[in-house]
Amino acid sequence: GAGVSQSPSNKVTEKGKDVELRCDPISGHTALYWYRQSLGQGLEFLIYFQGNSAPDKSGLPSDRFSAERTGGSVSTLTIQRTQQEDSAVYLCASSLKPPGLAEYEQYFGPGTRLTVT
Amino acid sequence: LAKTTQPISMDSYEGQEVNITCSHNNIATNDYITWYQQFPSQGPRFIIQGYKTKVTNEVASLFIPADRKSSTLSLPRVSLSDTAVYYCLARNAGNNRKLIWGLGTSLAVNP
Repeated sequence: GAGVSQSPSNKVTEKGKDVELRCDPISGHTALYWYRQSLGQGLEFLIYFQGNSAPDKSGLPSDRFSAERTGGSVSTLTIQRTQQEDSAVYLCASSLKPPGLAEYEQYFGPGTRLTVT
Repeated sequence: LAKTTQPISMDSYEGQEVNITCSHNNIATNDYITWYQQFPSQGPRFIIQGYKTKVTNEVASLFIPADRKSSTLSLPRVSLSDTAVYYCLARNAGNNRKLIWGLGTSLAVNP
């Protein structure tokens, strides 16, 4: 079946511009995560959506970052007034259920490589 | 907050067994420890998870001692295609059950 897809695969933008990154999770997956990965670094959690519950935004680095998930499916991560330090690969993942004591496997998309010039 | 610590890099040769140990402090008492694998230019992929003792699947084994302060991912008879970054994950203890990703271990398998 189809996996998690993300678009665009690459995005180059000028400092100060706004960007939107899209994630299409696996159909039926209720949990959706956004992460950021800088070159040679581990994953940095950004935001987590679970069903109709209020999202966990605790990882968003500043108020320039926001995300939405419409209809419990597609999600958009928006970065306003981009800065050079925002350059990274932005990864989206979905899982069938929210984590309990055991972690439900997160299925990752290929990521969007964002370059801010 | 919880913290996971892994070796930055490891080298091995085809056919060898590779053990990657992750130490984790202040993790949630009852939650599982999970390992992911990431190839270049791809998102991470789930390998294995466990709570205590030993878990084995078709890809790897995971050893977790009783004190759960560390875990060891064991890859039997590695091949060149196992060259990747391996991450251990655990949840923070307390009310902030944030999932903590380590910086990962870059494994290079040589011919």
